[in-house]
Amino acid sequence: AQKITQTQPGMFVQEKEAVTLDCTYDTSDPSYGLFWYKQPSSGEMIFLIYQGSYDQQNATEGRYSLNFQKARKSANLVISASQLGDSAMYFCAMRERLTGGGNKLTFGTGTQLKVEL
Amino acid sequence: DGGITQSPKYLFRKEGQNVTLSCEQNLNHDAMYWYRQDPGQGLRLIYYSQIVNDFQKGDIAEGYSVSREKKESFPLTVTSAQKNPTAFYLCASSIDPELGEYGYTFGSGTRLTVV
Repeated sequence: AQKITQTQPGMFVQEKEAVTLDCTYDTSDPSYGLFWYKQPSSGEMIFLIYQGSYDQQNATEGRYSLNFQKARKSANLVISASQLGDSAMYFCAMRERLTGGGNKLTFGTGTQLKVEL
Repeated sequence: DGGITQSPKYLFRKEGQNVTLSCEQNLNHDAMYWYRQDPGQGLRLIYYSQIVNDFQKGDIAEGYSVSREKKESFPLTVTSAQKNPTAFYLCASSIDPELGEYGYTFGSGTRLTVV
């Protein structure tokens, strides 16, 4: 079963508008972490924002905020005031326990965002 | 500046050849990871290492091998046993194998193509 689901393969948004990228997750671990990364066409992965399962408030980092709804198991990324440079692939990821100890990140399939003039 | 360097950026492999992808970090991170990225499938974990001289298989280790002889280096060999090696390969590291709020630092990737 998919642990991280991103249902929007592609999204368009007009410059200066806000956009929400969806992410749902599935885990039985009460302690988990959720991450969002941005991947421009050059390929590098850029960390955007983190939300811990015990955090009371939604995480924010500049124009990025995470709409964390624990009961619904969703962790949507909100980008405010979109810019042309926001055009990229966005990945949601969840921290998962490795059987031998330590953790790994499990990624969703990504959402390709295109910002238009 | 500290970071992760992956080389080469582009790599072409003939059928039946082994190739090695380089990953070097100067962040003093203990944990290192290799992921494979295919269109529409996100990133999948190949191998990981939480300490020097130790590494473990990830979700799709078949046809790959790694070594971790130095803290800074975690090379990935794509062997001839890997039936579909064409993909984008990303190396990552973390100061903490428990992956707190900082997650991974990634390299810029190697695009491997079989010709």
